[in-house]
Amino acid sequence: DAGVIQSPRHEVTEMGQEVTLRCKPISGHNSLFWYRQTMMRGLELLIYFNNNVPIDDSGMPEDRFSAKMPNASFSTLKIQPSEPRDSAVYFCASSFTSGYNEQFFGPGTRLTVL
Amino acid sequence: GENVEQHPSTLSVQEGDSAVIKCTYSDSASNYFPWYKQELGKGPQLIIDIRSNVGEKKDQRIAVTLNKTAKHFSLHITETQPEDSAVYFCAARAGNQFYFGTGTSLTVIP
Repeated sequence: DAGVIQSPRHEVTEMGQEVTLRCKPISGHNSLFWYRQTMMRGLELLIYFNNNVPIDDSGMPEDRFSAKMPNASFSTLKIQPSEPRDSAVYFCASSFTSGYNEQFFGPGTRLTVL
Repeated sequence: GENVEQHPSTLSVQEGDSAVIKCTYSDSASNYFPWYKQELGKGPQLIIDIRSNVGEKKDQRIAVTLNKTAKHFSLHITETQPEDSAVYFCAARAGNQFYFGTGTSLTVIP
């Protein structure tokens, strides 16, 4: 298996632009997580899905952020409009819901908003 | 919700010495405790994990201990090598969510 796949790996955009980050979880996993990592705040959970349904989006910072999971093999995290304080590394991770199952992380998308 | 605290935030050791990182958690329902290693420019990678029904687990130079009563767990790395230098995160799983510590930056000095 190729593991969790994220694209793009790097994104540089200007303030006010729309940004879309993409994730393909490991085949067969039924939980998907979006995290944001910064030096100041560490690793923060933004939202997680179980069986394609958003379960907890309390970590989404504000309405500018939205996430979708239209099917079991694809998810997007969208920021519209983007702001410089959104600059961070965004990770997607997937796991099996039940039992003692580890969470696998993708390589991350480094977002820079100028 | 769960709250995971991790100490120290930075740790420097001489090559060959041992390194210990400690975490505490608050939710007694947490039942799975993974440790992740994150190298520069990469995503966190699982290095070892422990379930709530086990007190200790070892994998070569890495070991993890869990004290459910005190709600703390620790990562032990023996005979450290320069390639062990990275940021290490502990986590606790409560329900379907993972709660992460703030990370420990480990530097192994050759």
